Amino acid sequence: GAVVSQHPSWVICKSGTSVKIECRSLDFQATTMFWYRQFPKQSLMLMATSNEGSKATYEQGVEKDKFLINHASLTLSTLTVTSAHPEDSSFYICSAEGSNNSPLHFGNGTRLTVT
Amino acid sequence: LAKTTQPISMDSYEGQEVNITCSHNNIATNDYITWYQQFPSQGPRFIIQGYKTKVTNEVASLFIPADRKSSTLSLPRVSLSDTAVYYCLVVAGAGSSNTGKLIFGQGTTLQVKP
Repeated sequence: GAVVSQHPSWVICKSGTSVKIECRSLDFQATTMFWYRQFPKQSLMLMATSNEGSKATYEQGVEKDKFLINHASLTLSTLTVTSAHPEDSSFYICSAEGSNNSPLHFGNGTRLTVT
Repeated sequence: LAKTTQPISMDSYEGQEVNITCSHNNIATNDYITWYQQFPSQGPRFIIQGYKTKVTNEVASLFIPADRKSSTLSLPRVSLSDTAVYYCLVVAGAGSSNTGKLIFGQGTTLQVKP
């Protein structure tokens, strides 16, 4: 089945630094990828839609300059949390869409802790 | 995208059949329904999706009435490992500007007891 790989699975960084999270579709081409954030005991919140070769579309309230998204190829999207602060600590999850009407497949998430 | 409503939590015992119902009154003609399962600290895992009537796969069944304003996920003979959060989502079909976009509600936390 379709596999989405996310890396790293966890990261600890100091406040003020930037962290890059990678999302790869391993066995299919993903024209569209989605980035979510999930706080403890809460549901997933959609942050942005990443389209290959074009700018990402951010959901209302998500700072595009803080959460930089790059989708340079059909198999890779990256999310960079810039100038991270403790309130950015969360579980970040990506998903990828293959063909129309095929189910979205999710990565296993990245646990970010900012100290 | 149509909003979904489902129970916050459910309890069951091993070996029982569990039915989780989700309402989506504003579902559009081209939308379809999909269900995901999530364990702690993992990404959601696809369970099943359907457009109408009944869909069955190796892990679950999905029942969708004719008006499509609700759907029921049926898990046969649950085990302890089925303890998880289950999300019901409405997905915009092909041709929509929201195609593929999944908006998660609160989900149903299923607790399976021995």
